[in-house]
Amino acid sequence: DQQVKQNSPSLSVQEGRISILNCDYTNSMFDYFLWYKKYPAEGPTFLISISSIKDKNEDGRFTVFLNKSAKHLSLHIVPSQPGDSAVYFCAASATNNNDMRFGAGTRLTVKP
Amino acid sequence: NAGVMQNPRHLVRRRGQEARLRCSPMKGHSHVYWYRQLPEEGLKFMVYLQKENIIDESGMPKERFSAEFPKEGPSILRIQQVVRGDSAAYFCASSPGLAGNYEQYFGPGTRLTVT
Repeated sequence: DQQVKQNSPSLSVQEGRISILNCDYTNSMFDYFLWYKKYPAEGPTFLISISSIKDKNEDGRFTVFLNKSAKHLSLHIVPSQPGDSAVYFCAASATNNNDMRFGAGTRLTVKP
Repeated sequence: NAGVMQNPRHLVRRRGQEARLRCSPMKGHSHVYWYRQLPEEGLKFMVYLQKENIIDESGMPKERFSAEFPKEGPSILRIQQVVRGDSAAYFCASSPGLAGNYEQYFGPGTRLTVT
């Protein structure tokens, strides 16, 4: 039962352009969403999060947008840099539940 | 302040042997999560534990897999009678378990290879 979906397994963008990674979820109980970044042979590292009381959270080059009615969130990276090349996982959690469910990941490649 | 520690980083087992994967959470964290990542796939939740308690094991295979988080010592993920399909990267994460704090901190993973 895939409660969090990342339908694009890969994305390639040019350095300096915007990267947009998408994520959809099905469980309406989810109210906290996170993005993790993962390099090969390393564990995922936290990148940015958003609570369902907000529709946008920005941190430097990274912005997460949440559309609750569509059960959709996206991560924008601008400008993209070659060091951003990694696999990005979307994750979701419910307030009264410390479990977290992850999407399958999107492999971002930023070309110089 | 050490992060989440996992050992071993690489583990090779023959079919039928047992695999034991260890995870030491970050200092002050009482919640531990195990995930599995199969080749070319995302992270799959396996089990969520607090000290001496299994909170959610809905992602654990019904047979051969077990997990514990004793009062003292690391959390252990145990796989009995391993098969080739168990080959994967196993990640442990920890969190403080505080209300409103959902971020999980991941270890570097254990890569299990079953030959």
